[in-house]
Amino acid sequence: AQSVAQPEDQVNVAEGNPLTVKCTYSVSGNPYLFWYVQYPNRGLQFLLKYITGDNLVKGSYGFEAEFNKSQTSFHLKKPSALVSDSALYFCAVRDQREAAGNKLTFGGGTRVLVKP
Amino acid sequence: EAQVTQNPRYLITVTGKKLTVTCSQNMNHEYMSWYRQDPGLGLRQIYYSMNVEVTDKGDVPEGYKVSRKEKRNFPLILESPSPNQTSLYFCASTSGPFSTDTQYFGPGTRLTVL
Repeated sequence: AQSVAQPEDQVNVAEGNPLTVKCTYSVSGNPYLFWYVQYPNRGLQFLLKYITGDNLVKGSYGFEAEFNKSQTSFHLKKPSALVSDSALYFCAVRDQREAAGNKLTFGGGTRVLVKP
Repeated sequence: EAQVTQNPRYLITVTGKKLTVTCSQNMNHEYMSWYRQDPGLGLRQIYYSMNVEVTDKGDVPEGYKVSRKEKRNFPLILESPSPNQTSLYFCASTSGPFSTDTQYFGPGTRLTVL
């Protein structure tokens, strides 16, 4: 079985400061990891994914995430947060072994609030 | 523009009154799925479809039905809605069955069952 944990319900950060959203995962095989963002009254938008290769993945809107296999983590980061980054962020995992269903397992979400 | 559309976006109904939420994608994707989003629980998969006429249960299929008669459409059917199905629903599509494929999500349907 696969699972994802986002330990923080909300992250508050001042505009211009670094932003980190934490994610840890559990899978039986190799993980495929994704970050999605949800703005108010909108669907989920893809930010970035880790499949293989370089542990540092760069994505949309200046976000990046670092895959750490030993800590089973995939934290999302942005060096300088903007007020417009305020949204709900979801980490998701897919176990490479679980081909059937192509199912993504999501974390509970972390609300990011960037204050001016 | 490549997109996944859902209708309606908002729906208030009463217990037991059958309803259908439509989902359509214009990307010729084979794989489609439905999720529900509840606070603190993230998104949970309801049903998925690998291709036309091929559907299967996800994690929380009870109380839902789906059909896939055309590649582009994947409606979600609640035969007898109950208040515990009040939720935010998302349809998603992927180009194929490979685990590395990115899923594209619709804008969501907020359902309230009284």
